[in-house]
Amino acid sequence: EIVLTQSPGTLSLSPGERATLSCRASQSVSGNYLVWYQQKPGQPPRLLIYGASSRATGIPDRFSGSGSGTDFTLTISRLEPEDFALYYCQQYSSSPRTFGQGTKVEIK
Amino acid sequence: QLQLQESGPGLVKPSETLSLTCTVSGASFSSDTYYWGWIRQPPGKGLEWIGNIDSTGNTYYNSSLKGRVTISVDTSKNQFSLKVTSMTAADTAVYFCASDPEAFYVGSGYAYFDYWGRGTLVTVSS
Repeated sequence: EIVLTQSPGTLSLSPGERATLSCRASQSVSGNYLVWYQQKPGQPPRLLIYGASSRATGIPDRFSGSGSGTDFTLTISRLEPEDFALYYCQQYSSSPRTFGQGTKVEIK
Repeated sequence: QLQLQESGPGLVKPSETLSLTCTVSGASFSSDTYYWGWIRQPPGKGLEWIGNIDSTGNTYYNSSLKGRVTISVDTSKNQFSLKVTSMTAADTAVYFCASDPEAFYVGSGYAYFDYWGRGTLVTVSS
């Protein structure tokens, strides 16, 4: 089973700042089959990035994904107030599919 | 754009069976390449995939649920359903239905989810 470790657990930043979230896999994620979700309290997850770097429909270009192999990054170039939320990575290269434990981006 | 909506009881007694339905609108439910799935999230915890179904009725389940889960599809109603037997307090969670656009291509019955329902809280209590 691929274990995904997200860091940091919590990221305290101000609006306008850049956020860099990490997702590290215990084994190589083939095909770059990794997604990022955003979740706010009381809402379902929202797909941000698939295939490690492709933005989902309607996602602003301040969100970008990068990485390959075992190291992946979600970058939010300039935080907007609505970006403060919980972020999960998930791999779909091997079974069982697994999620990271999440990174919370909070207002500093 | 796809829209999904869960329906079903919010309270289930221990040992009973949970039945939820997801109604899909806004796109062709009979797509050969879209799969349909259920995911749950216990309060304050992470996401757990329950299972997927394709438009022909082939099903894929999380083995951790040990045969308690059945997912079915009714294409005439644009709906798919979830049954979970022998419910316990550990099954208390928000249950989401969602669409999987890539399971068909990557195999194993589950890739990721692009459109989600709003979720329904199911509490297991006597």
